[in-house]
Amino acid sequence: QVQLVQSGAEVKKPGAAVKVSCKASGYSFTSYDINWVRQATGQGLEWMGWMNPNSGNTAYAQKFQGRVTMTRNTSISTVSMELSSLRSEDTAVYYCARRKAFYGMDVWGQGTTVTVSS
Amino acid sequence: DIQMTQSPSSLSASVGDRVTITCRASQGISNYLAWYQQRPGKVPKLLLYAASTLQSGVPSRFSGSGSGTDFTLTISSLQPEDVATYYCQKYNSVPLTFGGGTKVEIK
Repeated sequence: QVQLVQSGAEVKKPGAAVKVSCKASGYSFTSYDINWVRQATGQGLEWMGWMNPNSGNTAYAQKFQGRVTMTRNTSISTVSMELSSLRSEDTAVYYCARRKAFYGMDVWGQGTTVTVSS
Repeated sequence: DIQMTQSPSSLSASVGDRVTITCRASQGISNYLAWYQQRPGKVPKLLLYAASTLQSGVPSRFSGSGSGTDFTLTISSLQPEDVATYYCQKYNSVPLTFGGGTKVEIK
């Protein structure tokens, strides 16, 4: 079946970086963009950026420019999101989700909890 | 950047009631709007895209309308399993901004 499986929970210290992976299966990996969305506890959804796994093109939300990097490994159908210079406000659940142009995000990963604490 | 404003932020209604949620864009976005449902403790789920197209498998009691700047999500007959927070999202251009969410509860 179509699914996105994310890497496990992370605990990081302020100033460190975290890398979360998202492995796709059950569909043509290069046919859908992968988006990253985060959600702090009790808060709404926040779009971080997307990557086109075919071209490698990316687009990031202004808020994360300079701190976020999205990469892909087409041989294992995986997109990764690295967030650097972590601060406590980055504590959240991070989701990947696929999307095709003109459509919504129809398949989501299970979420990865990232905790930033000294 | 275009801002997405949802109203109300929360509502309480009885089973069987008709529920309407509004999403307003600060600039026109044509019909490039999606609606998501997030049940408590769960992953968001796509309900509608292109403002009014129902995603496969979503019950027909959900419907969407609007174009330009004003959009609505309607639940024609609220069911207990509809308790959730609902988000709109624009996707005409980056950033793909979400609305602040509307929490729906049963009275």
